[in-house]
Amino acid sequence: GDSVTQMEGPVTLSEEAFLTINCTYTATGYPSLFWYVQYPGEGLQLLLKATKADDKGSNKGFEATYRKETTSFHLEKGSVQVSDSAVYFCALSDRSGGYQKVTFGTGTKLQVIP
Amino acid sequence: GAGVSQSPSNKVTEKGKDVELRCDPISGHTALYWYRQRLGQGLEFLIYFQGNSAPDKSGLPSDRFSAERTGESVSTLTIQRTQQEDSAVYLCASSSLQNTEAFFGQGTRLTVV
Repeated sequence: GDSVTQMEGPVTLSEEAFLTINCTYTATGYPSLFWYVQYPGEGLQLLLKATKADDKGSNKGFEATYRKETTSFHLEKGSVQVSDSAVYFCALSDRSGGYQKVTFGTGTKLQVIP
Repeated sequence: GAGVSQSPSNKVTEKGKDVELRCDPISGHTALYWYRQRLGQGLEFLIYFQGNSAPDKSGLPSDRFSAERTGESVSTLTIQRTQQEDSAVYLCASSSLQNTEAFFGQGTRLTVV
């Protein structure tokens, strides 16, 4: 079945550092890919998405590129801020077994220190 | 509705009691998901509904956990004979066929004492 693998956290960075959170996936179809963010004490919300190969999703300074050849969708940001401290979830949506289903990774906690 | 609604938002129950958690998905969303998130942990998949059927319930941790969905709308997650390890936030999400993005509710925080 489909699966999403994220790098283990927590990730601790200083403010203005470069961020990469790795995400790889396996899927039987041709999935759409997502990054969700969960700020402390809040629910999950969509951060960005990409629906086809080589698409780049971007939002709030974060970017991720859909790489079909490496089945990856790594999240990057050039200069993180303390307010980016949150848990980040990689996800895919795929039609598998006759159903359209969303599959999530387990999440990566990011802590940005001043 | 405008978003995914979960109730109650908080529930404190005594060990051994049964609890019911409710999820109202976005109107017209055929897919509905339940997840569990323990304190400081990631998402743990519980069950997935497509319409009123559950093609994937592989994440239900024991036979104390069950879920149903009626009218392709509301879903209830029932935990029987609650244990302290059931304490967590239970999240519900829904998605449509046209827009595959999943939308989350705010969750139900369950505390078993």
